[in-house]
Amino acid sequence: DAKTTQPPSMDCAEGRAANLPCNHSTISGNEYVYWYRQIHSQGPQYIIHGLKNNETNEMASLIITEDRKSSTLILPHATLRDTAVYYCIVRRGGATNKLIFGTGTLLAVQP
Amino acid sequence: SQTIHQWPATLVQPVGSPLSLECTVEGTSNPNLYWYRQAAGRGLQLLFYSVGIGQISSEVPQNLSASRPQDRQFILSSKKLLLSDSGFYLCAWSVVTYGYTFGSGTRLTVV
Repeated sequence: DAKTTQPPSMDCAEGRAANLPCNHSTISGNEYVYWYRQIHSQGPQYIIHGLKNNETNEMASLIITEDRKSSTLILPHATLRDTAVYYCIVRRGGATNKLIFGTGTLLAVQP
Repeated sequence: SQTIHQWPATLVQPVGSPLSLECTVEGTSNPNLYWYRQAAGRGLQLLFYSVGIGQISSEVPQNLSASRPQDRQFILSSKKLLLSDSGFYLCAWSVVTYGYTFGSGTRLTVV
């Protein structure tokens, strides 16, 4: 599976959009981009995933560049409860393919 | 609905003692099951995964073992715990292409 690069930490003001970048320059054509987050002392929570097109759900939006070498997770109106470590993961489709976590980005939402 | 149960939530065990952590899944059949460990201040490391009853794959050499005696039951064990086995242990399952679901975790402290 391709590796990803994320900034170790970011700050965001409460109520503002949080934009979390991820580089995955070696991604293959059949690999998806997944985002998870882990709030302190809890299990990771699935946020969103995509292959080529931008995706949106009730939690976030995922913007994938046309060359698929990078993506951005957008939390439109960050709240204090969004403070967590956010993981960008590249993984082949299929239930048997493993989810390998990197170091992620610690997002601190400030009041 | 699909749920995952993991227990106990916290555990303090002496060095050299045995370990048994259990994870069960409800509301699904033939899930892929995973054990992850997160050492203090570190990322999530995949330890074992299973695609079916009795089928266990180990990702890293270690002092632990895993078993899957039933379709929706995954057990993590050790005969003799080491100090380095301390950490946050998470069970997860996946059935479809996306969306691993994680349990609430067990925080193990070996003393």
